[in-house]
Amino acid sequence: EVQLLESGGGLVQPGGSLRLSCAASGFTFSSYAMTWVRQAPGKGLEWVSPISGSGGSTYYADSVRGRFTVSRDNSKSTLYLQMNSLRAEDTAVYYCAKAGGFYCGAGSCYCDYWGQGTVVTVSS
Amino acid sequence: EIVLTQSPGTLSLSPGERATLSCRASQSLTSSYLAWYQQKPGQAPRLLIYGASSRATGIPDRFSGSGSGTDFTLTISRLEPEDFAVYYCQQYVSSPWTFGQGTKVEIK
Repeated sequence: EVQLLESGGGLVQPGGSLRLSCAASGFTFSSYAMTWVRQAPGKGLEWVSPISGSGGSTYYADSVRGRFTVSRDNSKSTLYLQMNSLRAEDTAVYYCAKAGGFYCGAGSCYCDYWGQGTVVTVSS
Repeated sequence: EIVLTQSPGTLSLSPGERATLSCRASQSLTSSYLAWYQQKPGQAPRLLIYGASSRATGIPDRFSGSGSGTDFTLTISRLEPEDFAVYYCQQYVSSPWTFGQGTKVEIK
């Protein structure tokens, strides 16, 4: 059974930092791209940052590029999201999700399994 | 950026009725790289359909997807009580991968 368990969310002041983690199990972690998707309160879904199975290919939404860094440790089956220079508009539930293929590219960048999410609140 | 527009915003139906949800793309989606997700309050999204018409693992056959090019449809043949939720479409043709704004299916 595929399981994804996020952690690391919380309340942080504007300009602060947080590191999210997602522990994966139930599949060969290194064989699949992973991604972070967020959902602001009462809003829809926004793709944040996918990473390939090897970690060698990453992508960032314009809204987070230069502030967020996605990474993975395949030896620990864990996905990370380092979030710096946080803004109020980054307040959201952050989900980690497994992609359909090794790369998050055309034909495989849909999410077939999702974690339960971790809440990030940016406020003074 | 490919923009996905879902309609209607809200669909009010009774259990047992048929639901038809629409997703229109601002440009043609090659190879029908479109997915549908269901999200219930307080829960993570769940993949229903990928490749416009392929059901994900464990999804009941009352859910079906169709369409190509710029127009796609999710059909729920007979609504069950657990189907009342928000539904999102998502394209994975090109980055940035984008979601529609969602259609809420509510009990009439």
